[in-house]
Amino acid sequence: DIQMTQSPSSLSASVGDRVTITCRSSQSISSSLNWYQQKAGGVPKLLIYAASRLESGVPSRFSGSGSGTDFTLTISSLQPEDFATYYCQQSSRFHTFGQGTKLEIK
Amino acid sequence: QVQMVQSGAEVKKPGASVKVSCKASGYIFTNYGISWLRQAPGQGLEWMGWISAYNGNTRYAQRVQGRVTLTTDTSTTTAYMELRTLRSDDTAVYYCAREAEVSGVIMFAYWGQGSPVTVSP
Repeated sequence: DIQMTQSPSSLSASVGDRVTITCRSSQSISSSLNWYQQKAGGVPKLLIYAASRLESGVPSRFSGSGSGTDFTLTISSLQPEDFATYYCQQSSRFHTFGQGTKLEIK
Repeated sequence: QVQMVQSGAEVKKPGASVKVSCKASGYIFTNYGISWLRQAPGQGLEWMGWISAYNGNTRYAQRVQGRVTLTTDTSTTTAYMELRTLRSDDTAVYYCAREAEVSGVIMFAYWGQGSPVTVSP
């Protein structure tokens, strides 16, 4: 099985900050990496697919990069509605999610 | 617009079975596969399996293989997930999600609202 490791597990930041979340896979997955946002009590929402492609309707402050085993999700300027939990997901072989990164208000 | 509407909350005893439904609309049902995922309280997301709505082919995660069966009914555009021999650690919110594929990458673009399943004596 492909394991996905996110870091950090939690993060405190302020509105306007630039934030980066990292995801590492246990083996190369090329660009088969997606990012989701999940708000408390809510359903996961697709933000980024294929490592760097922005899902329609997602604000441009979200961006993704990486390939192979190392990937990042960046939020360029945090907005109040961005405080949530973020998950990476590989779809190279079946599907595996990272453990999540909880983004909290400082 | 694409909608995935799931059945309601369930409470089951250990050893029982549960069957969750997912009614899809707003797209050609047989053109896309559907995955089932779950999220235990306070935990992350776990993929359980996938079914092709075109031909019924399935793939299951090793952790639930042998206890889970995915089916579809194309006449009602509904997908079903049945989980048997329930244990307390099966307590979770269960989601269906419609897959999409772009440049060979599969993603979950549309999700059901979730169906809470509680397993308790």
